[in-house]
Amino acid sequence: NAGVTQTPKFRILKIGQSMTLQCTQDMNHNYMYWYRQDPGMGLKLIYYSVGAGITDKGEVPNGYNVSRSTTEDFPLRLELAAPSQTSVYFCASSYSSGSNQPQHFGDGTRLSIL
Amino acid sequence: GESVGLHLPTLSVQEGDNSIINCAYSNSASDYFIWYKQESGKGPQFIIDIRSNMDKRQGQRVTVLLNKTVKHLSLQIAATQPGDSAVYFCAETPYGNNRLAFGKGNQVVVIP
Repeated sequence: NAGVTQTPKFRILKIGQSMTLQCTQDMNHNYMYWYRQDPGMGLKLIYYSVGAGITDKGEVPNGYNVSRSTTEDFPLRLELAAPSQTSVYFCASSYSSGSNQPQHFGDGTRLSIL
Repeated sequence: GESVGLHLPTLSVQEGDNSIINCAYSNSASDYFIWYKQESGKGPQFIIDIRSNMDKRQGQRVTVLLNKTVKHLSLQIAATQPGDSAVYFCAETPYGNNRLAFGKGNQVVVIP
C-alpha cells in the first residue's frame, strides 16, 4: 500500500491564482483530513470528511474548499491565493470503527504564495 | 529545508540515554491521545496512542504516560538513537469525528 499520497510536493503561486492540492489514500479509510502547518507550529485542521459526499469545516477553513466524491480522494482547493496561505499542507486519513483511531499522514505539499 | 523545528522547545540527549518529552493538554473531554514524530521534510508519523481509561502504554522502546488529574501526557524513549532526532507532537481529541488538536511540538536532538 502507498498509504496517503499528496501531489504536488512543492508549488509557488502568485497572489490571486488558484490551485488544487491532491490527496489520495489506498487504505479504504472513510475519514480524511486537511491540515496546514506554519513554521514552528503544530497542525491546524482546515477541513475534514467522514465519508464520500460529506465534508465539514475545521479550525481554519477560510479561503479553502474541499470535495469528497470518492472514498479515495479528498482534494483541497485554493480559489484566490493569498500570502497568508503560504504553508505546508498535510492530508491525513483514518479508519473509524466507533472509537478513535490514529490518523495517517502524507508527506505534505509545500506552498508559497508570492 | 523544512523550518518546522525553529523556535520549538529543544531537548538535547546523548545517544543511548533515555528521553522524556512532556505535553500538557487542554481539554478534560479528550479521551484519546497520540504521539507523532515528524522528521524534516516528512509528514507526521504515528508512534503510539493511549485511551483515557489507561495511564500507561508501552510500545517498542517507547512508553506513553497519561495523568488525567493534571492533564499531562509524556513520551519516554528508551536508549535514544540518532534516528530519533525529530520534532515530536502530542495530539488530543477534544472534538468528535476523530478530529485531533495538536500541540506545538518538541524538538529532540540526539548527540552521537
